[in-house]
Amino acid sequence: EIVLTQSPDTLSLSPGERATLSCRASQSVRDNYLAWYQQKPGQAPRLLIYGASSRATGIPNRFSGSGSGTDFTLTISRLEPEDFAVYFCQQYGRSPYTFGQGTKLEIK
Amino acid sequence: QLQLQESGPGLVKPSETLSLTCTVFGGSISSTSYYWGWIRQPPGKGLEWIATIHYSGSTYYNPSLKSRVTMSVDTSKNQFSLNLASVTAADTAVYYCAGHEGSSSGGWFDPWGQGTLVTVSS
Repeated sequence: EIVLTQSPDTLSLSPGERATLSCRASQSVRDNYLAWYQQKPGQAPRLLIYGASSRATGIPNRFSGSGSGTDFTLTISRLEPEDFAVYFCQQYGRSPYTFGQGTKLEIK
Repeated sequence: QLQLQESGPGLVKPSETLSLTCTVFGGSISSTSYYWGWIRQPPGKGLEWIATIHYSGSTYYNPSLKSRVTMSVDTSKNQFSLNLASVTAADTAVYYCAGHEGSSSGGWFDPWGQGTLVTVSS
């Protein structure tokens, strides 16, 4: 099983700042099959990024994904108030398909 | 636009079977390019993939739950279902159904249902 470890667990930033979230895999993710989701309280996760760097439909271009192999990054270039939420990464290259434990992005 | 909706009991007794159904709206569950899955999230915790099914009936289970999980699909109702046997308090979670496009059992999940909380308690 591929274990995904996200860091940091909590990130405290202010609106307008840049956020960098990390997702590290215990082994190489096949074909960079990695996705990022945003989850707000009481809501289902929302797909942001797939294939490590492709933005999902309707996702603002301030969200970007990068990385390959075992190290992946989600960057939010300039935080908006609605961006404060929990973010999860997921690998879908090898079963069982696994998620990271999440990074909580909170307002400083 | 595809939308998914979970339904089922919110309370299940220990040792019994948890049964949930997901109805697909806005498209056919028989689309050859879609797979359908279940993911759960214990309160305040992370996400766990449970299982995935294709309309053809091919199923893929998380090994950690495989001995207790069964998925099925009902194309006539545009629904797919999850059965989780012998539940314990550790199975208390919000259960999400979701779909993904692709040619294999692995994929990014989009769309998601709103989720349904299932509590295991006597």
